[in-house]
Amino acid sequence: EDQVTQSPEALRLQEGESSSLNCSYTVSGLRGLFWYRQDPGKGPEFLFTLYSAGEEKEKERLKATLTKKESFLHITAPKPEDSATYLCAVQAIVRQAGTALIFGKGTTLSVSS
Amino acid sequence: GAVVSQHPSRVICKSGTSVKIECRSLDFQATTMFWYRQFPKQSLMLMATSNEGSKATYEQGVEKDKFLINHASLTLSTLTVTSAHPEDSSFYICSAARLSPYNSPLHFGNGTRLTVT
Repeated sequence: EDQVTQSPEALRLQEGESSSLNCSYTVSGLRGLFWYRQDPGKGPEFLFTLYSAGEEKEKERLKATLTKKESFLHITAPKPEDSATYLCAVQAIVRQAGTALIFGKGTTLSVSS
Repeated sequence: GAVVSQHPSRVICKSGTSVKIECRSLDFQATTMFWYRQFPKQSLMLMATSNEGSKATYEQGVEKDKFLINHASLTLSTLTVTSAHPEDSSFYICSAARLSPYNSPLHFGNGTRLTVT
């Protein structure tokens, strides 16, 4: 069964204190691993897609990496506006485009000034 | 800007009534849309896959007669919660993917907070 596990569930950081979020996954053939940011009462906002082990992507203070079993979301020198829930999701190899994602429970990040 | 629009953002209804939620892809055609439900501090759980012009595919445990899905056009899917009960109170989110380029990510609406009293 395809499964996504994120850790930690919650993370509190001081402004400027870098850290990493973990996403472990098992999937019957990975088509893509996705990171989303979700603010309270809002839908997920797309951040990154990673397709193969060794791939890395960066956006401002965020950097996502991928291995065959897990992905990390590194946050460098976070700011209070980075506070949100970060969701990891996987998409299995499919015969047609547009297959649903399987989500982890998320890591809720709080950054204080 | 938003590429998937969901309406309404909040709805309160009485037990036994029905509620319709709309999901629109704003600047692209989506032959497939997805409906998720999210409980507090929980993951997004896939409810059903909505296919334009055909019947929706429901996940195990999701009652198709209770959660009616209609995908009438390439830009619109609707979810109707029929005879709603308090346990149906949740955050419902739709998503859609561009077909081209093939590796386009899923974009999500801003969700609908349903409260059944």
